[in-house]
Amino acid sequence: DQQVKQNSPSLSVQEGRISILNCDYTNSMFDYFLWYKKYPAEGPTFLISISSIKDKNEDGRFTVFLNKSAKHLSLHIVPSQPGDSAVYFCAARPGGYNAGNNRKLIWGLGTSLAVNP
Amino acid sequence: DTEVTQTPKHLVMGMTNKKSLKCEQHMGHRAMYWYKQKAKKPPELMFVYSYEKLSINESVPSRFSPECPNSSLLNLHLHALQPEDSALYLCASSLLYLRWVEINEKLIFGSGTQLSVL
Repeated sequence: DQQVKQNSPSLSVQEGRISILNCDYTNSMFDYFLWYKKYPAEGPTFLISISSIKDKNEDGRFTVFLNKSAKHLSLHIVPSQPGDSAVYFCAARPGGYNAGNNRKLIWGLGTSLAVNP
Repeated sequence: DTEVTQTPKHLVMGMTNKKSLKCEQHMGHRAMYWYKQKAKKPPELMFVYSYEKLSINESVPSRFSPECPNSSLLNLHLHALQPEDSALYLCASSLLYLRWVEINEKLIFGSGTQLSVL
């Protein structure tokens, strides 16, 4: 059962426009969400994160929005650049004392973003 | 130094070979991880070391043997692998891996070792 879902396997956007990548989750005990970006044959690179007590976090061109009632988060990239073309993974961390050792990140399957010049 | 360095970048091995993957970080991180990633899939956790002690083994077959000689180094010893073990093997580190602390579990990944088992 996929606890973190990225329902769009791919997304194509024009350079300069906004890219919106979506992520849905099922476990209300997740307390931290992270976005990673991955180029082929390289390790993922941390992009931005958000705590479950917040609804927005911004870092330059990247903004993550969290809607806890809908169990939905989104990553906005504005403006999109060709160098943003990569696979974007959403990941979530189970929170709370009862999580015990089971605080490993739960990953979505990724969304491949193509930014066209 | 804000990097996780992995060697080799590429490795081809036969099913009877023994090889090792190496990982190094000098950020003072006390948690180190091995992940496996297949194409078009997310990273899959294999092992977690916390303060040089094996903290998590995600039911990985014994043909994969991790080792953490000190706080900066992490090895993955490979023996009698199968072709289906071919994948990108990623090492990562983070400041800490404490279950009861609200921390930013930001993982820093290395570039990986692309492993092909023939």
